[in-house]
Amino acid sequence: AQSVTQPDIHITVSEGASLELRCNYSYGATPYLFWYVQSPGQGLQLLLKYFSGDTLVQGIKGFEAEFKRSQSSFNLRKPSVHWSDAAEYFCAVGARGTGNQFYFGTGTSLTVIP
Amino acid sequence: DGGITQSPKYLFRKEGQNVTLSCEQNLNHDAMYWYRQDPGQGLRLIYYSQIVNDFQKGDIAEGYSVSREKKESFPLTVTSAQKNPTAFYLCASSPGWGDRNQPQHFGDGTRLSIL
Repeated sequence: AQSVTQPDIHITVSEGASLELRCNYSYGATPYLFWYVQSPGQGLQLLLKYFSGDTLVQGIKGFEAEFKRSQSSFNLRKPSVHWSDAAEYFCAVGARGTGNQFYFGTGTSLTVIP
Repeated sequence: DGGITQSPKYLFRKEGQNVTLSCEQNLNHDAMYWYRQDPGQGLRLIYYSQIVNDFQKGDIAEGYSVSREKKESFPLTVTSAQKNPTAFYLCASSPGWGDRNQPQHFGDGTRLSIL
């Protein structure tokens, strides 16, 4: 069965510091992978997506993610965090042959301190 | 601009009452979804529809019902059988399932509370 694990429930970083949010997936073939961001009381906004090809993908707001097949991971990174990046981040996997279903992780809440 | 509109933003339900959450999209997407979001549990799939007049149960369909009479609309009814309806409800859509999976687009959600 497909699943997504985000091991970190909550992360706190200082403004200007680098950020890495972890995501591990379980799927038998090459998945489609996504990162979304959610501000309080809002819907989810797509940050970036991986379908195939280059394993390092660039997204909006200066975020990037790297797909590592050997580790079943798709970690999200940002070199320098801004206070406006404080939000909830969700990793998701879409798998071939499962209709249109996505599987979401439980999210990582990011706090940015001055 | 194309997008997904959910209404109302806040909704209150009395005991024994059914309430309906609206979701409308003008993206010409075939597939639509309803998720429930509770703190610390991420998003859980309630129902999804891949095409008009067809829908499938997700992981937590009990106490909910949907219809898909029009491509652009996918309303969710929270029935009195749902004993713990307090949550944030998100509607999403995607173009469909083709050669490349497309990301889901989300509305801004409806927060449902019990009176």
